[in-house]
Amino acid sequence: DIVMTQSPDSLAVSLGERATINCKSSQSVLHSSNNKNYLAWYQQKPGQPPKVLIYWASTRESGVPDRFSGSGSGTDFTLTISSLQAEDVAIYYCHQYYSTLTWTFGQGTKVEIK
Amino acid sequence: QLQLQESGPGLVKPSETLSLTCTVSGGSISSSSYYWGWIRQSPGKGLEWIGTMYYSGYTYYNPSLKSRVTISVDTSKNQFSLKLSSVTAADTAVYYCVRRPRDGCFDYWGQGTLVTVSS
Repeated sequence: DIVMTQSPDSLAVSLGERATINCKSSQSVLHSSNNKNYLAWYQQKPGQPPKVLIYWASTRESGVPDRFSGSGSGTDFTLTISSLQAEDVAIYYCHQYYSTLTWTFGQGTKVEIK
Repeated sequence: QLQLQESGPGLVKPSETLSLTCTVSGGSISSSSYYWGWIRQSPGKGLEWIGTMYYSGYTYYNPSLKSRVTISVDTSKNQFSLKLSSVTAADTAVYYCVRRPRDGCFDYWGQGTLVTVSS
C-alpha cells in the first residue's frame, strides 16, 4: 500500500493568515504516461462527508474558493489556505488514487482558529 | 444534481453480517464513466477504502477486507450494496457510498451512516 503521511496533525492559525498542510506519500504518485500526480485534497466539517477541494495535486474543484491551492509532485505535496476564514475550520485529508487497487488517505490535519 | 444515500441497520451484532444499500439519484449507475464504491471512517483508522464496483458487476476490494466483503449492483433500482461478514467492534464506523470517475478521485459522497457493532 502507498502510505500517506500528513503534517502537522493539527494547527491553529489566525484569521486572515496562511495555513499550510503537508502530505508525503511512501512512493511516487506521478504517472509517467500522462505526467499527472494522482493526489487529491479533501475538506471535512463535523457531521459532513469529505468534500473534494483539489485533484491532480493542483486543480481546484469547481466552486472552491481560490484561497485554496495545491502544489507538489512525486511524493511531496502541500495544501495552502492563503487567508484563513472562519468557515475553513475543518479536517483536511490528502488522498492518493495512483494505486489502482488500494486507494489510501492521510491521517488528517485539523485546522483551527488561533 | 447527483445524490447518494446510504440505508441500512445502525446496529449489528458481533459475528453477523453488515448490510448497507446506496441509492443513487440524479444520475445513472450504469454510466460507463464512473465507478461506485464504499469508504468507511472510524476514529481509530481514519478513512479506509472498502471496495469499488463497475456497473457491469466487476468488483475489487481492499485486500485487508477482501475475505469478508461483497459489493453488488442492482441497475434496475439504481442501487448498489455492501455486505461485510463476521463483523467485530473494529468494524464500527461511519460508512459512505461514493462515486469515482474512471481515472479520478472520489468526487461524490453520500452523507454517511453510522454502523455500530455491539451485542
